[in-house]
Amino acid sequence: AQKVTQAQTEISVVEKEDVTLDCVYETRDTTYYLFWYKQPPSGELVFLIRRNSFDEQNEISGRYSWNFQKSTSSFNFTITASQVVDSAVYFCALSERDDMRFGAGTRLTVKP
Amino acid sequence: GAGVSQSPRYKVAKRGQDVALRCDPISGHVSLFWYQQALGQGPEFLTYFQNEAQLDKSGLPSDRFFAERPEGSVSTLKIQRTQQEDSAVYLCASSPGTSGTYNEQFFGPGTRLTVL
Repeated sequence: AQKVTQAQTEISVVEKEDVTLDCVYETRDTTYYLFWYKQPPSGELVFLIRRNSFDEQNEISGRYSWNFQKSTSSFNFTITASQVVDSAVYFCALSERDDMRFGAGTRLTVKP
Repeated sequence: GAGVSQSPRYKVAKRGQDVALRCDPISGHVSLFWYQQALGQGPEFLTYFQNEAQLDKSGLPSDRFFAERPEGSVSTLKIQRTQQEDSAVYLCASSPGTSGTYNEQFFGPGTRLTVL
């Protein structure tokens, strides 16, 4: 069975602080994909990033960066210099092709 | 361009009623997915289609849940004899790819179902 754990239920930071959202996953498959989605108050999930299990290179996109480590089964997400607009619930997800499992989400609040 | 749309956005049903939730995917998207999101939880996978074929329905919680996509475009999720535990937001997503859930999915705004 696959499982995604986001241990941080809620995080609150002040604008311009850096924040890291943790994600740990479990799978027996050698081929899988990992995702991060953002769910703002409007409710629609917004895709942020996808990584496959064979590509452990870290990725940076503007203020966002992701650290994928197979050795610890983790796929952590860092926001640098957070902004109020980053306030949302963030979900990590694991795909084994015909099934998708989301974590319970981390609610990030960025205060001005 | 138009994104994924869902209707109705809100639905209140009395326990025991049947409901039908509609999803209009992005035009040309081959794959379509349904999820159930309970309050304060992550989405839970229900089922997915590639064109009109339902390739996986392992996540449907009971035989009261039924999904169809007869022409490979619009999809309907039907819940028969609704129960209070069916109260949740039902999310639909579509993807242009044919690799199941490996591809990026584009989500609709969801239908919030409340069963009284």
